[in-house]
Amino acid sequence: EAQVTQNPRYLITVTGKKLTVTCSQNMNHEYMSWYRQDPGLGLRQIYYSMNVEVTDKGDVPEGYKVSRKEKRNFPLILESPSPNQTSLYFCASSPGGAGDTQYFGPGTRLTVL
Amino acid sequence: AQTVTQSQPEMSVQEAETVTLSCTYDTSENNYYLFWYKQPPSRQMILVIRQEAYKQQNATENRFSVNFQKAAKSFSLKISDSQLGDTAMYFCASPILDSNYQLIWGAGTKLIIKP
Repeated sequence: EAQVTQNPRYLITVTGKKLTVTCSQNMNHEYMSWYRQDPGLGLRQIYYSMNVEVTDKGDVPEGYKVSRKEKRNFPLILESPSPNQTSLYFCASSPGGAGDTQYFGPGTRLTVL
Repeated sequence: AQTVTQSQPEMSVQEAETVTLSCTYDTSENNYYLFWYKQPPSRQMILVIRQEAYKQQNATENRFSVNFQKAAKSFSLKISDSQLGDTAMYFCASPILDSNYQLIWGAGTKLIIKP
């Protein structure tokens, strides 16, 4: 089954404790992206990747890191989480760029205390 | 800064009625795609419909259709014969100027279908 998976689905952590949210797709897509969703703000892009080893900042990259060492994986790293990073996070992939249909993971609900 | 505006934070209609969700955008791209995504209570984001801006014909997917007014930069979504399963948040999205890799998203419209 073609899908984007994210883990964990829910995470509660404390300020400053490094964490990684994994994202994997099995559709051989070139493009992957991370978004955060906050009430009243829609989706905001954090980082995106056009291909292996090629990443770029989105609208709200501060406090986040990403890497794309393999085509299928695109982890999101929070080196020192803060409460303002409490949000719902989505990973997405598409064959090409933003003009293609994006396939989304199930979301990760992160709470930083 | 570019914006995508969904002017209806929440709407509710009776089952089987037709409902239209509005969206305006302000990209200056010449050729681009516009999207409507649906997010049901399960939180899963699902593509509803995609419109290619250079096409005159409005996109249609079963009960879902768009009214695309390029000059007015308006991209509304019409849902015909609404069903309980259409209850969801609906987001429209348009490309960011000069980027093939980024979309800008509206704040969403919460649609409730009442039995």
